[in-house]
Amino acid sequence: SQKIEQNSEALNIQEGKTATLTCNYTNYSPAYLQWYRQDPGRGPVFLLLIRENEKEKRKERLKVTFDTTLKQSLFHITASQPADSATYLCALVPGGSYIPTFGRGTSLIVHP
Amino acid sequence: DAGVIQSPRHEVTEMGQEVTLRCKPISGHDYLFWYRQTMMRGLELLIYFNNNVPIDDSGMPEDRFSAKMPNASFSTLKIQPSEPRDSAVYFCASSLPSWAPGGEKLFFGSGTQLSVL
Repeated sequence: SQKIEQNSEALNIQEGKTATLTCNYTNYSPAYLQWYRQDPGRGPVFLLLIRENEKEKRKERLKVTFDTTLKQSLFHITASQPADSATYLCALVPGGSYIPTFGRGTSLIVHP
Repeated sequence: DAGVIQSPRHEVTEMGQEVTLRCKPISGHDYLFWYRQTMMRGLELLIYFNNNVPIDDSGMPEDRFSAKMPNASFSTLKIQPSEPRDSAVYFCASSLPSWAPGGEKLFFGSGTQLSVL
């Protein structure tokens, strides 16, 4: 069956370090993959999209990689700040569709 | 634009009661999605509409759930009768047409926290 896996354990890091979050998937052939940020009591907010033929995408302090052989995406936040503390969700969109299926998210806590 | 607007923000009801959740999508967006989020199952798609027409309702848990979109600026999700296991956060999201620049992004509302006692 199709599965999207994100670390259920919170990631705790020190301010200024690089945070790396992982999204693994099985039995999907995604056309593209998205990352969203969710703050407590709020809806997810779109951050980045990476297509199946792209290896890497950057936006300011954010970087996403996409390895369709490993079936994995990595999401990096460089020079992390306490304000980056949130839950980060990955979402896959299969070819022929554009309806995203979401992972359960990983909580990031950046300590000052 | 005010973004996707959902109401109410919180709903507490008793088992067996009817619950109606409301959503106003972003103007110009022709896709509307209803998702449900729980700790156990994460964010699950319930149903989505394109140009006010329901396209896929396979995620609707059972006949107690129904959704309508009478016009481009309003949608409802109704649960009748409600049960304690329906307790969750219900999100509405909208997006531009798939062919439009940025059409892949979903814009979410702030959600309705539903508690069924």
